[in-house]
Amino acid sequence: AQSVSQHNHHVILSEAASLELGCNYSYGGTVNLFWYVQYPGQHLQLLLKYFSGDPLVKGIKGFEAEFIKSKFSFNLRKPSVQWSDTAEYFCAVRASGGYNKLIFGAGTRLAVHP
Amino acid sequence: EAQVTQNPRYLITVTGKKLTVTCSQNMNHEYMSWYRQDPGLGLRQIYYSMNVEVTDKGDVPEGYKVSRKEKRNFPLILESPSPNQTSLYFCASSQQGNTEAFFGQGTRLTVV
Repeated sequence: AQSVSQHNHHVILSEAASLELGCNYSYGGTVNLFWYVQYPGQHLQLLLKYFSGDPLVKGIKGFEAEFIKSKFSFNLRKPSVQWSDTAEYFCAVRASGGYNKLIFGAGTRLAVHP
Repeated sequence: EAQVTQNPRYLITVTGKKLTVTCSQNMNHEYMSWYRQDPGLGLRQIYYSMNVEVTDKGDVPEGYKVSRKEKRNFPLILESPSPNQTSLYFCASSQQGNTEAFFGQGTRLTVV
């Protein structure tokens, strides 16, 4: 069965620090990969997605992620975080060509202090 | 504006009292699904629908029902809610194939 593992459950950073959130998945076939963000009290919003092509994907708000197929990883990065990045981040995987079911990781809560 | 609309946003109910959470999308998406979000567990799929009159169980379907009589609507029904169904619920929709999912604003349900 597919599964998604997010290594950090809670991350605390100061503004301007660099961010990297780990995401590993288990599935042997072709996958679509997503990072969603959930700001406090809000719904999930798509940060970025990978379907095919360049494994380095750029998303909104300065976020990027790199798909490393050999490591089954899709880590999220941002060079310099801001207080407004305080949120919960979810990695999600979907089997390509499947029936659109998303498998989510447990989430990482990021707190950015001014 | 493209959106997924859930109602209500907040609901407190008592054990055993039937309730329905509505979900509607205006993007003509074929695929719709319900998730519940619990701390430390991320989002888990309850039910999904690939099109009108086509529904199937997700990973945690016990205690829930759904229906898909129209393409735009996908209500979630709890016939006899129990406290372990206290959670944050999200409806999502997407086109078939390699596309992103759009999520509703969420419904915070408390069963006492």
